Amino acid sequence: GEDVEQSLFLSVREGDSSVINCTYTDSSSTYLYWYKQEPGAGLQLLTYIFSNMDMKQDQRLTVLLNKKDKHLSLRIADTQTGDSAIYFCAEGYDMRFGAGTRLTVKP
Amino acid sequence: EAQVTQNPRYLITVTGKKLTVTCSQNMNHEYMSWYRQDPGLGLRQIYYSMNVEVTDKGDVPEGYKVSRKEKRNFPLILESPSPNQTSLYFCASKESSAYEQYFGPGTRLTVT
Repeated sequence: GEDVEQSLFLSVREGDSSVINCTYTDSSSTYLYWYKQEPGAGLQLLTYIFSNMDMKQDQRLTVLLNKKDKHLSLRIADTQTGDSAIYFCAEGYDMRFGAGTRLTVKP
Repeated sequence: EAQVTQNPRYLITVTGKKLTVTCSQNMNHEYMSWYRQDPGLGLRQIYYSMNVEVTDKGDVPEGYKVSRKEKRNFPLILESPSPNQTSLYFCASKESSAYEQYFGPGTRLTVT
């Protein structure tokens, strides 16, 4: 099957930028998503990007898509302790998820 | 309030004892799905349903059944649970034409 891969852990200091990376294999995916899961909670859609876009910015969040390399990244500017969570990359209509990146923000 | 609800939220059971996890959404969504979440594996889709009476296997359907008799409900059935089905389960729904899925709060199942 098609795979979505992410690194499992990322640790940053408060105020720094965080960059979470994701690679996917299904080149036909129209939608690519970033979901956030806070401890003990379900998943919430953080942002998404259509496959015909290279970049999307939404306040502190910037999504970059390199369709040639099938690489997606999520940059969080001025990372806060409240950003500590697991971030999932997902692709496609049926949403194939990566394993999730646990972001830890240290004060 | 628009939401996806799951019951129970926590369940501890024994091997072989049939159980059902219910999922209900009040947004009139056509599409519903079940995922399981395991450490290091992310979310894997178990089953999905495009509409009433239409269900399809996801990536990990073995050991599970679903039904979609009504639009709002999509129960997950484990006929004979086994310890490898110990996991965190999420139900989700969306409009067929939409990109965003709405997730339930999760059901943590332990099978001993």
